[in-house]
Amino acid sequence: KQEVTQIPAALSVPEGENLVLNCSFTDSAIYNLQWFRQDPGKGLTSLLLIQSSQREQTSGRLNASLDKSSGRSTLYIAASQPGDSATYLCAVTDSNYQLIWGAGTKLIIKP
Amino acid sequence: DGGITQSPKYLFRKEGQNVTLSCEQNLNHDAMYWYRQDPGQGLRLIYYSQIVNDFQKGDIAEGYSVSREKKESFPLTVTSAQKNPTAFYLCASSIGGLAGADTQYFGPGTRLTVL
Repeated sequence: KQEVTQIPAALSVPEGENLVLNCSFTDSAIYNLQWFRQDPGKGLTSLLLIQSSQREQTSGRLNASLDKSSGRSTLYIAASQPGDSATYLCAVTDSNYQLIWGAGTKLIIKP
Repeated sequence: DGGITQSPKYLFRKEGQNVTLSCEQNLNHDAMYWYRQDPGQGLRLIYYSQIVNDFQKGDIAEGYSVSREKKESFPLTVTSAQKNPTAFYLCASSIGGLAGADTQYFGPGTRLTVL
């Protein structure tokens, strides 16, 4: 059974730092991996989608990598800003096209 | 503006009551989904619908029911059979019918509290 883990559950860093959020999954047979952002009490916003054949995707200051063989993905945020404070969730699409979600990493960027 | 709306934002339920959460989308998406989010846990799929008049149970469908009479609408009813309904409920939609194949777009959520 596919399981998705995000560690740490919470992270606090000073503004301006580059940071990495981690996502690991137990079964490498995935269709794709997605990163989402969730602001407190709000819905989710899709940030990046990496197909299983891809190694990385970039959008602005965000870069997501995927290593299927090791069951890991990272979300790199460059030059962090207070507006980046949110919970970041990753989800993998398994071989049945179902989304399996991590519990998220709550990120706080201190001014 | 295209998007997904959910109402109400906050909902309170008494013991033994059924309540219905609304979800509407104007993105012309075929597929719609309902998720439940609890603190410290990943999202869990309740029901999904790939086309009008068809829907399938997700991982935690017990105590919930849905309908899909229109492409734009996918209401979720939380019945009295759901013993622990207090949670944040998220509705989503995607272009195609394969749940994870396309990007999902989410509504703002409904927070349901049992009194």
